[in-house]
Parts: sequence; structure tokens; C-alpha cells
Amino acid sequence: DVKVTQSSRYLVKRTGEKVFLECVQDMDHENMFWYRQDPGLGLRLIYFSYDVKMKEKGDIPEGYSVSREKKERFSLILESASTNQTSMYLCASSSSSGRGDTQYFGPGTRLTVL
Amino acid sequence: GNSVTQMEGPVTLSEEAFLTINCTYTATGYPSLFWYVQYPGEGLQLLLKATKADDKGSNKGFEATYRKETTSFHLEKGSVQVSDSAVYFCALSGGSNYKLTFGKGTLLTVNP
Repeated sequence: DVKVTQSSRYLVKRTGEKVFLECVQDMDHENMFWYRQDPGLGLRLIYFSYDVKMKEKGDIPEGYSVSREKKERFSLILESASTNQTSMYLCASSSSSGRGDTQYFGPGTRLTVL
Repeated sequence: GNSVTQMEGPVTLSEEAFLTINCTYTATGYPSLFWYVQYPGEGLQLLLKATKADDKGSNKGFEATYRKETTSFHLEKGSVQVSDSAVYFCALSGGSNYKLTFGKGTLLTVNP
């Protein structure tokens, strides 16, 4: 079974702190994604990566950056956390083979910024 | 661009009732279509998918048929259980970068 793990289930940070959210997948997938999930807005793509050291902006990249130094690990960075970044963050991965490939999701990190 | 519109919730049903959650999409080309489910406190799991027109995806008693003529992928289940209570997301995959476009989700509550 594909396993996507996220470093924390719950995180509480203060405004202005630098925040790292880590995601690791064990299926040698090329593609990795970071989403945020908010009530009434569904899932919105923040950034994605289709290869090591490669990244592309999603729909809402402002205030975020990412890092992918190894194939299995994709980090989301909030350089200076703000209260409007309080949200559920979901990581996902998928293979580049075939078409319509399934994305496999981690359990999510619920981040609260005070 | 691609978009997915799904039925707004919340939807509340009694156990053994019939379920339909509507989903329509706009996309160029020939997207693949998905239904994901999110149980309370968890991440999303793939429920079913279809990759071409007229395909039917099915899993755990849920079904959805890829209808190109109506650009729809409605989710159905003949008899829901309390354990089906969750948020359901319709999504499509199109283009070469494997991005998914999601609907806003539909909260389903099934009462005993």
C-alpha cells in the first residue's frame, strides 16, 4: 500500500514564526503536491513538484515556499506565519506513468496560527 | 480552464436510503474523473475513478459513470450506511502535469 506521512497531525504556531510541514511518500512517486483545505472552499493547490528540485506554483502560492531535495520528501514552508494561514494542509503524491493517475493523500496537518 | 461543480451539502439521509451526489465538469480534451472520500479526521482516499467516456467506476457499493455527453460523473449508492458519513469530493485530472481539480466537497451524514 502507498503510504504518505506528514510530520504532525496538529501544530500551533505564533504569528511571524517560520513553519515547516514535512511530507514523505514511500512509493517512489515522481509527483508531489501540497493543498490547503478550508470549509466552503474545498481543496486548493499551493505548490507541486514533478521531480527532485523542480517545483511549480499552484493556485494559491503566496506566502508559501517548498523544497524537494529528495524524491520521497516534499516540504512546505511558511516563511512568516499569519493567522490567515490557519488551515488543514494535505500532502499527496502520484506516479507519472499512465494517465489519470491517482493521487494518494497523507492524513493532513491542522495548523493553527495564533 | 478546468472546473468541477458538485452538489452543495450538507446531505442528510437515513440508513438504507438511496444516495446521489451530482457532479458536472468543464474541461478541455479527455479528462479522467475521480471521487474521493474524506472520513472525519482523516486525509482523502480514492473511492473510484473512470478514465474514459462510458466507463463505470465502482467500489464499496458506490458507482459513477463517466458521461461525456452531459459532462457528468454523478455518485450513487443504493443503500447507505452510517459508516458512509463523510465528505465526498469529485475531481478531474487533465493535461500533462497530473494536477487534480476538485469540487468543493459534499458532506454526507447518515443517521441510524
